[in-house]
Amino acid sequence: EVQLVESGGGVVRPGGSLRLSCAASGFTFDDFGMNWVRQAPGKGLEWVSGINWNAGSTGYADSVRGRFTISRDNPKNSLYLHMHSLRAEDTALYYCVRDHSVLSSSDDAFAIWGQGTMVTVSS
Amino acid sequence: EIVLTQSPGTLSLSPGERATLSCRASQSVSSSYLAWYQQKPGQAPRLLIYAASSRATGIPDRFSGSGSGTDFTLTISRLEPEDFAVYYCQQYVASRTFGQGTKVEIK
Repeated sequence: EVQLVESGGGVVRPGGSLRLSCAASGFTFDDFGMNWVRQAPGKGLEWVSGINWNAGSTGYADSVRGRFTISRDNPKNSLYLHMHSLRAEDTALYYCVRDHSVLSSSDDAFAIWGQGTMVTVSS
Repeated sequence: EIVLTQSPGTLSLSPGERATLSCRASQSVSSSYLAWYQQKPGQAPRLLIYAASSRATGIPDRFSGSGSGTDFTLTISRLEPEDFAVYYCQQYVASRTFGQGTKVEIK
């Protein structure tokens, strides 16, 4: 079964840091680009960051660029999001998401979603 | 940044009716790099349509996508009870952005 399981969420004070992890299983992890998408409570979806299959290319939303860093460990089938200088507006459910196409050379649709890990930034 | 505007915000329909959802882009979405997702309460989104008109694996054929350039449409030919949900469009030609969503509710 294809599965993505996020972990690492929690409550953190403004200005603090957090590292999210995503464990992938059921597919060849290093064949696919991976992403983080977030959803604030009661709001819509926002793409946060993406990384291609071999970690040669990364991208960030303007709202997080310079504060968040995406990385992956292919032998461990794992995706990470390092978050620094957290703000109240970063409060959201963070989804780990897999690209649709194998070895995609460009941005892609999002085929597989985890259940998310909640990040709350509050004093 | 390409801004996607979905309409209507809420669609009130009865089971068996046809649903037509619109997604308009602020710039042309070349190569039809546009997707549609369904999200039910408490669940992660699910990919329905990619490349504007291709159904994802396991998606029933009552869901169809069409359009090109700046105007795209998701059509649900006959609403089933499980189709009442929020639907998002997304472009992936220039980074990735989502529309604000259309809620399809039971009338």
